[in-house]
Amino acid sequence: KAGVTQTPRYLIKTRGQQVTLSCSPISGHRSVSWYQQTPGQGLQFLFEYFSETQRNKGNFPGRFSGRQFSNSRSEMNVSTLELGDSALYLCASSFLTGDYNEQFFGPGTRLTVL
Amino acid sequence: AQSVTQPDIHITVSEGASLELRCNYSYGATPYLFWYVQSPGQGLQLLLKYFSGDTLVQGIKGFEAEFKRSQSSFNLRKPSVHWSDAAEYFCAVGTPGGYNKLIFGAGTRLAVHP
Repeated sequence: KAGVTQTPRYLIKTRGQQVTLSCSPISGHRSVSWYQQTPGQGLQFLFEYFSETQRNKGNFPGRFSGRQFSNSRSEMNVSTLELGDSALYLCASSFLTGDYNEQFFGPGTRLTVL
Repeated sequence: AQSVTQPDIHITVSEGASLELRCNYSYGATPYLFWYVQSPGQGLQLLLKYFSGDTLVQGIKGFEAEFKRSQSSFNLRKPSVHWSDAAEYFCAVGTPGGYNKLIFGAGTRLAVHP
């Protein structure tokens, strides 16, 4: 079974631009979560989607948004990029629908903002 | 608010030695508890989890963890470390109703000397 796929793996943008990252969950998984990983702040939860609905959201500004499609694929968007948005963005998917089922993480998208 | 503390940023052990990584959490009740491992350039892999029941849980790769309610701790142990265990280890908590939102500790980077 294929794992969680994230595209692109690496991305370089300049301040003020916007970016869209994509996540394809494991087949059959309907929950997708996003995390930001930086050396200074560590791993921080961005949001979680299930059946195209956002069920939970972290403490990030409105520049960070996401969505989930009917095939469970998810995208996150960051508008008006800032230098501090440089990070590894990780996506995770899970199969079951309740609280805290095992999440499988993708390899991440490394975003660099210049 | 929930929080997770991993007091050791870096730990170095010799191959074959035992290992204990510390994790303390702050939450009013018993949270869901997890240990993840991240190898360079990789996403996170779940080692083990505790939801309820037996306070000593077994995970993959020979790891185990013990939940101690009185100390708000969930320390990870391995009796004999292998060179391939060198990685970064993250403790995480989830709370009821949080769906898949995880609060991560800052991580402990493990180096293994031959």
